[in-house]
Amino acid sequence: EAEVAQSPRYKITEKSQAVAFWCDPISGHATLYWYRQILGQGPELLVQFQDESVVDDSQLPKDRFSAERLKGVDSTLKIQPAELGDSAMYLCASSLAGGIEQYFGPGTRLTVT
Amino acid sequence: AQSVTQLDSQVPVFEEAPVELRCNYSSSVSVYLFWYVQYPNQGLQLLLKYLSGSTLVESINGFEAEFNKSQTSFHLRKPSVHISDTAEYFCAVSTSQGGSEKLVFGKGTKLTVNP
Repeated sequence: EAEVAQSPRYKITEKSQAVAFWCDPISGHATLYWYRQILGQGPELLVQFQDESVVDDSQLPKDRFSAERLKGVDSTLKIQPAELGDSAMYLCASSLAGGIEQYFGPGTRLTVT
Repeated sequence: AQSVTQLDSQVPVFEEAPVELRCNYSSSVSVYLFWYVQYPNQGLQLLLKYLSGSTLVESINGFEAEFNKSQTSFHLRKPSVHISDTAEYFCAVSTSQGGSEKLVFGKGTKLTVNP
């Protein structure tokens, strides 16, 4: 069964360092989402792509976060510089274009020290 | 704007007991409703969904949820839980905005099944 792949699974970084996460959606899924899940909370959407275009990045802290999906397939989410409050699980999800159901990857657990 | 309220942050139950995890939503438009399950340090897995049609939806592992439009609720139930059901459960609402689906999640309910 096709799955959303994410790497790394765990990342520990020091405050003010740069960090990047990678996501490979299910083949054929045009829509890709990045969510942030703070411990004890539900996931919150950071950015949504349709193919290579950003559809919604209204909740992305653009002073330090950036996301790209250059060829409309895999995607990278970057944080620079990382802050203590960025410690969270970062989840990637994908869906068919116009699809209702989103499929989630295993997530990247980020700890900022 | 949509919002989801999960009324219980933690629900402890004994094995083989029934359980209900409550979820209420607010939305001014038609919605799709979902329950996701998350095991420790893992991503979210879709448990069940309501898109249209029958208001009672079921999962393959014995969970069911009923869409109640008048009460804007989508409570999750299981008549007899197992130890393996211990996990965090998230209710989510989705609406189509500008041609794309937006998922809004509740804060989650941690279900602990004790022997």
